[in-house]
Amino acid sequence: EADIYQTPRYLVIGTGKKITLECSQTMGHDKMYWYQQDPGMELHLIHYSYGVNSTEKGDLSSESTVSRIRTEHFPLTLESARPSHTSQYLCASSEPGDLQGTDTQYFGPGTRLTVL
Amino acid sequence: KNQVEQSPQSLIILEGKNCTLQCNYTVSPFSNLRWYKQDTGRGPVSLTIMTFSENTKSNGRYTATLDADTKQSSLHITASQLSDSASYICVVSDRGSTLGRLYFGRGTQLTVWP
Repeated sequence: EADIYQTPRYLVIGTGKKITLECSQTMGHDKMYWYQQDPGMELHLIHYSYGVNSTEKGDLSSESTVSRIRTEHFPLTLESARPSHTSQYLCASSEPGDLQGTDTQYFGPGTRLTVL
Repeated sequence: KNQVEQSPQSLIILEGKNCTLQCNYTVSPFSNLRWYKQDTGRGPVSLTIMTFSENTKSNGRYTATLDADTKQSSLHITASQLSDSASYICVVSDRGSTLGRLYFGRGTQLTVWP
């Protein structure tokens, strides 16, 4: 079982609310990621970080923002939630593999967000 | 266009039976291929990872194969158990960046019946 945690696990909110999805890991990993996944669909990378004070946008355009002030913490924020933001959000961290690009990613349990 | 296609989309088998899941990819330049297991409502968990020089890798009852020439991979599950019911996701990484861009398949939803 990986030591990566996400809260809340489920969230139902109204349109226009500001929300923050929490993600923390205790493995000391430098690289962290946020993915978005709709039912039956593939994961899409929306944000990633190489380490403290490093954040980059992923492949899927997202209105969310992230911060990385501490190694273990990588929160995702939506300033004004909309029904189109309804999805599952998965946080991950990775440790380097023996070869470049073979990092093993460890995923959190996810946050299922529903915006009414 | 870099893509990962998995088949079948869903599969139902009886407990104790074997099954094989397929993954075809067009990702280039290829770095490695991973299989993940994702239980309902949970994050994916890594089962195997193979580089271009490896053509088979086992993890307990799970055996993955890779043919880098035909760009195909399979995941074979032996003596299935009820706990194998999950989505199995094929993920291919390219060598285009330090990050190792990951391309995810949509998964095969496996259901094991008693």
